[in-house]
Amino acid sequence: SQQGEEDPQALSIQEGENATMNCSYKTSINNLQWYRQNSGRGLVHLILIRSNEREKHSGRLRVTLDTSKKSSSLLITASRAADTASYFCATDAISGAGKLTFGQGTILTVHP
Amino acid sequence: GAGVSQSPSNKVTEKGKDVELRCDPISGHTALYWYRQSLGQGLEFLIYFQGNSAPDKSGLPSDRFSAERTGGSVSTLTIQRTQQEDSAVYLCASSLAGTGSGGYTFGSGTRLTVV
Repeated sequence: SQQGEEDPQALSIQEGENATMNCSYKTSINNLQWYRQNSGRGLVHLILIRSNEREKHSGRLRVTLDTSKKSSSLLITASRAADTASYFCATDAISGAGKLTFGQGTILTVHP
Repeated sequence: GAGVSQSPSNKVTEKGKDVELRCDPISGHTALYWYRQSLGQGLEFLIYFQGNSAPDKSGLPSDRFSAERTGGSVSTLTIQRTQQEDSAVYLCASSLAGTGSGGYTFGSGTRLTVV
């Protein structure tokens, strides 16, 4: 089964609202990363948070990591229609031998 | 090049034919990964090359799948005797030196359709 599981599977909001996506994982990690995918093609790296970090910010993105609960969240503030995409978390597991394991993704739709 | 380049961008093939998918990573990136993504699904790991080490082939779904990386740069993923269940988007990514170095850079993928 996938190491990362995102929740919800789909999220629909209005422009200007905040969007929160959650990710849970099973094993100990070196870091956790979030990616964005438009139109089912290549993914774009958004942010990386290391296992010894609890929170990280990048522009309108805020990522938290709770290693005791093995969970992470991605918050997009003041969403825009252009944020419409699929968002994936990916874990670099300590036992993962140097490769990322991706979750199933959250489909975010932001209505203008 | 400036990014990860994959070719072809789309490939339609008949069941039973062999296909080759190409990935040209970012110059200087020692790690190269292949994933595939079926419609509406997450990414499934296939194979990972790191420098001169033996590749991690643990994700290849069958012996019809193989990949090589020549000269530590360009990689080719070969699927022999294609089946309809092989239809997916095949994504290549590269990174500087593994997963802790700032994330992967993905190519735009090859959409493979087996008819």
